[in-house]
Amino acid sequence: DVKVTQSSRYLVKRTGEKVFLECVQDMDHENMFWYRQDPGLGLRLIYFSYDVKMKEKGDIPEGYSVSREKKERFSLILESASTNQTSMYLCASSFPPGQARNEQFFGPGTRLTVL
Amino acid sequence: AQSVTQLDSQVPVFEEAPVELRCNYSSSVSVYLFWYVQYPNQGLQLLLKYLSGSTLVESINGFEAEFNKSQTSFHLRKPSVHISDTAEYFCAVSDRYNTDKLIFGTGTRLQVFP
Repeated sequence: DVKVTQSSRYLVKRTGEKVFLECVQDMDHENMFWYRQDPGLGLRLIYFSYDVKMKEKGDIPEGYSVSREKKERFSLILESASTNQTSMYLCASSFPPGQARNEQFFGPGTRLTVL
Repeated sequence: AQSVTQLDSQVPVFEEAPVELRCNYSSSVSVYLFWYVQYPNQGLQLLLKYLSGSTLVESINGFEAEFNKSQTSFHLRKPSVHISDTAEYFCAVSDRYNTDKLIFGTGTRLQVFP
């Protein structure tokens, strides 16, 4: 079974702190994604990576950056956390295009609270 | 740009009653369609998907969804729900020619009461 793990289930940080959220997948997927989930807004794509060191902005990249140094690991970085970044963060991975599957596999999520 | 509309943010229902969760998408191109389920305090899991072929797709736990191209809909149905079906359900769409990304709806919270 595909497994996507996230480093923390719950995280509490202070305004202005630098925050790292880590995601690891074990299925050799090329694609990896970071979403944030907020009530009434569904899932919104923050960043997307289709290969090592490759990244693409999603719909809401402001205030975030990402790092993908190894194929299995995709990190989301909040350079200076703010209270409006309090949210549930979900990581996902998928096969590359052309394999006609599209299914994204999700991690359990990290609930981040910024005080 | 693609968009997905889930009109019902919450659907309360009694156990063993039928349920329909509505999903409409806006696209003039061929699409792949998905329903994901999120149980409390968990990530999303794929429930079912439509890629091609039969327009009626089924999941292993009794849910089904029908792709209706003329109405651009992919409604999720179950004839008899259980307490354990209480969860949030997300409809998602991807463009067949740009298949990297999924566009998600805002979700429908299904609450099943005894």
